[in-house]
Amino acid sequence: QVQLVESGGGVVQPGRSLRLSCAASGFSFSNYGMHWVRQAPGKGLEWVAIIWYDGTNKNYTDSVKGRFTVSRDNSKNTLYLHISSLRPEDTAVYYCAKDLFMRAPTGVSYGMDVWGQGTTVTVSS
Amino acid sequence: TTLTQSPAFVSATPGDRVHISCTASQDIDNDVNWYRQKPGEATTLIIQEGSNLDPAISPRFSGSGFGTDFTLTIDNIESEDAAFYFCLQHDNFPVTFGGGTKVEI
Repeated sequence: QVQLVESGGGVVQPGRSLRLSCAASGFSFSNYGMHWVRQAPGKGLEWVAIIWYDGTNKNYTDSVKGRFTVSRDNSKNTLYLHISSLRPEDTAVYYCAKDLFMRAPTGVSYGMDVWGQGTTVTVSS
Repeated sequence: TTLTQSPAFVSATPGDRVHISCTASQDIDNDVNWYRQKPGEATTLIIQEGSNLDPAISPRFSGSGFGTDFTLTIDNIESEDAAFYFCLQHDNFPVTFGGGTKVEI
């Protein structure tokens, strides 16, 4: 079945870097845009980034631009999120999610259908 | 686009009809999806494009709305429907979410 499994979370000191991974299975990964979404403790959901199916285009929410980098390896069916200069406000559960439609044009998203169960990032000294 | 979702909390009795509202700060056509989140489970898509029910979801769920006002309706609510529900708009970037509704049965 279609599945997304995040990994790479943990407790990290402020200012350090971290790379999250999302292993995809059960669908043609290289044909779908992929998202990262986060949820801070006691807060609502926040969309973080999207990378389109071929990896050539990306979009980020303003609050993470310059610190977060989304990437993908279609040969490994894996999505990544590199987070640098971690801040306490980056503490959250990070989810990866699959865009709804195959090969959506750059600049277009249909939202997500499949989500992972999340990986927790805690930024603390 | 800001999505204002209400109510934040609903306490329902089995068999009730529940309405959850999502209001957008600008016209977003029908570019709204609805999701359900349960502890320990992956988030589930319920409705896409405002009113299209995901095939895996019970027909007791329905979605309506266009432009700025959207509603998720749960008919004949059951105990298994206890969850956190939220809306999402994908009309423009950044993708944004409603604040969510906790449904208690």
